[in-house]
Amino acid sequence: EVQLVESGGGVVQPGGSLRLSCAASGFRYHKYWMSWVRQAPGKGLEWVANVNEDGSEKYYVDSVRGRFTISRDNAKNSLYLEMHSLRAEDTAVYYCARDQVWTMVQGRLNYMDVWGKGTTVTVFS
Amino acid sequence: QSVLTQPPSMSGAPGQRVTISCTGSSSNIGAGSDVHWYQHIPGTAPKLLIYGNVNRPSGVPERFSASKSGTSASLAITGLQAEDEADYYCQSYDSSLSDPVVFGGGTKLTVL
Repeated sequence: EVQLVESGGGVVQPGGSLRLSCAASGFRYHKYWMSWVRQAPGKGLEWVANVNEDGSEKYYVDSVRGRFTISRDNAKNSLYLEMHSLRAEDTAVYYCARDQVWTMVQGRLNYMDVWGKGTTVTVFS
Repeated sequence: QSVLTQPPSMSGAPGQRVTISCTGSSSNIGAGSDVHWYQHIPGTAPKLLIYGNVNRPSGVPERFSASKSGTSASLAITGLQAEDEADYYCQSYDSSLSDPVVFGGGTKLTVL
């Protein structure tokens, strides 16, 4: 069964750090781009970051660039999101997702075909 | 505020057809950017419904279909079922933004 399971969420004070993990199983993990997507309370989905198959390309939404780092360990079938300088607006459920590459003339618009159930990050003083 | 506008809520009775719109502009859908659609039941993993404007992944019922025209895209659900009650999101690419991959604001669909 194709599966993604996130862990590592919790409550942290503003300015703090957390490391999210995502364990992948049931597919050839090293063949896929992977993403983190979040949903703040009462809000819609927001793409956060993604990484290519070997970890050499990484992309971030502006609001987290310089504070968050996406990484992967293909030997462990795992994806990570290192989060620093956390802010109240980072409070959200964070989902790990498998990307399918979709390339257009305008640019890359990967779609996410497998998702985890999410892990909750609360930044609260 | 997303550049892709969806109605915040919609409703329909079992068996009915509903259409959820995703309205963009000349810098995203109107520029030819493709659209993907997702279903999200709160508390569960989001699910891919449609990719590349019209393509349905295996396992997604034929009741779900989508189209794109001009600056808008639409997701249609026929034969509405109770299990379709969920939030629906479109996703596209806006070349005018520094963060070009965007989701619509989402539509909460209630099955009456």
